[in-house]
Amino acid sequence: GAGVSQSPSNKVTEKGKDVELRCDPISGHTALYWYRQSLGQGLEFLIYFQGNSAPDKSGLPSDRFSAERTGGSVSTLTIQRTQQEDSAVYLCASSSSGNQETQYFGPGTRLLVL
Amino acid sequence: GENVEQHPSTLSVQEGDSAVIKCTYSDSASNYFPWYKQELGKRPQLIIDIRSNVGEKKDQRIAVTLNKTAKHFSLHITETQPEDSAVYFCAAVPTSGNTGKLIFGQGTTLQVKP
Repeated sequence: GAGVSQSPSNKVTEKGKDVELRCDPISGHTALYWYRQSLGQGLEFLIYFQGNSAPDKSGLPSDRFSAERTGGSVSTLTIQRTQQEDSAVYLCASSSSGNQETQYFGPGTRLLVL
Repeated sequence: GENVEQHPSTLSVQEGDSAVIKCTYSDSASNYFPWYKQELGKRPQLIIDIRSNVGEKKDQRIAVTLNKTAKHFSLHITETQPEDSAVYFCAAVPTSGNTGKLIFGQGTTLQVKP
């Protein structure tokens, strides 16, 4: 079946602009995660969804970052007033139910803020 | 919160040799430890995982060991091949909040020389 997909694959934006990143999880997966991978860095947790709820937003770096999930499926990560330090690869992952289940990653969105 | 340290940051081995990557974690309550392989420009993919009620797990040329007392776990790759060249990430899943979020190590770049 189809894996996790993300769009766009690449995004170049100017400092101060808003961007939206999309994630389509594996069908039927209730748990969805966003991570960020900066150049030369590891993967950093941003937010966790269970269904449409986000019980853990502890990794969002600032209030410029927000995310939502609708219909228990597609999720959108929004970054407002982008800054150069937001440049990174944003990865989405989904798992069947959450804790201790395998997380399957999407290909990521490479964001470059000029 | 949970913190994961990974060593070494880079590892170069000759084809056919073994490779060992080590990780330590801080939260004694963490109970799930996956390893991901990320090839250049690709998404992270799970290669093996271990749960806290098991001390060792093996899958063909790959094995993982877990020492809960010392709070460290290791990845062992035997008979390395050039296609094993990639960045390897360890991760731990803290039990607090029961979210399943992955806390990653900084990654190890493995180079297997033909």
